[in-house]
Amino acid sequence: QKEVEQDPGPLSVPEGAIVSLNCTYSNSAFQYFMWYRQYSRKGPELLMYTYSSGNKEDGRFTAQVDKSSKYISLFIRDSQPSDSATYLCAMKRGAGQNFVFGPGTRLSVLP
Amino acid sequence: DAGVTQSPTHLIKTRGQQVTLRCSPKSGHDTVSWYQQALGQGPQFIFQYYEEEERQRGNFPDRFSGHQFPNYSSELNVNALLLGDSALYLCASSLLFSLGQPNEKLFFGSGTQLSVL
Repeated sequence: QKEVEQDPGPLSVPEGAIVSLNCTYSNSAFQYFMWYRQYSRKGPELLMYTYSSGNKEDGRFTAQVDKSSKYISLFIRDSQPSDSATYLCAMKRGAGQNFVFGPGTRLSVLP
Repeated sequence: DAGVTQSPTHLIKTRGQQVTLRCSPKSGHDTVSWYQQALGQGPQFIFQYYEEEERQRGNFPDRFSGHQFPNYSSELNVNALLLGDSALYLCASSLLFSLGQPNEKLFFGSGTQLSVL
């Protein structure tokens, strides 16, 4: 079992839909969680950063962490065609440790 | 504010050759991490440099080596290239501590696409 799992997709939604992207993980020691967006052949762009459990909102994006279930989510409201990209979750145990990335979910928002 | 810059953007090598990739961190950052991303996969951690020393290393062979310079820029060297080394190599920078607290946010460059033939 991999440390971090994501449904690879592709996930196709119509413009304006609410998108839910998820990661599950096996290491209960993970405390720091991030979501990145990656366009084709580009470097990942940081979207959301969360420490420990709870919710965090930034514009159209909401990140949720449920440590009891070892499950994190990213919600995108009012999705746009420009949101079409691969979404990567990343997490780590403690300060100064390296991040472990999921394989990414490919999202396509259709106009 | 310049972000993370990497060079070259693309590189084609043959098996057995050696390659050097370069990275300049985001202004104000002191830590550089290197990741390898195969097609359709998430980035895999290679190693991290801080104060010109390797702080952490992932599960990569000794053929992968690096260096950090006094200006915080970094190089990744790969010797004896294999076909399986073909990937997007990503550099990420961060500030190890901010206001005395660990700063966990990683900022990535656009990567170097390495093809080994």
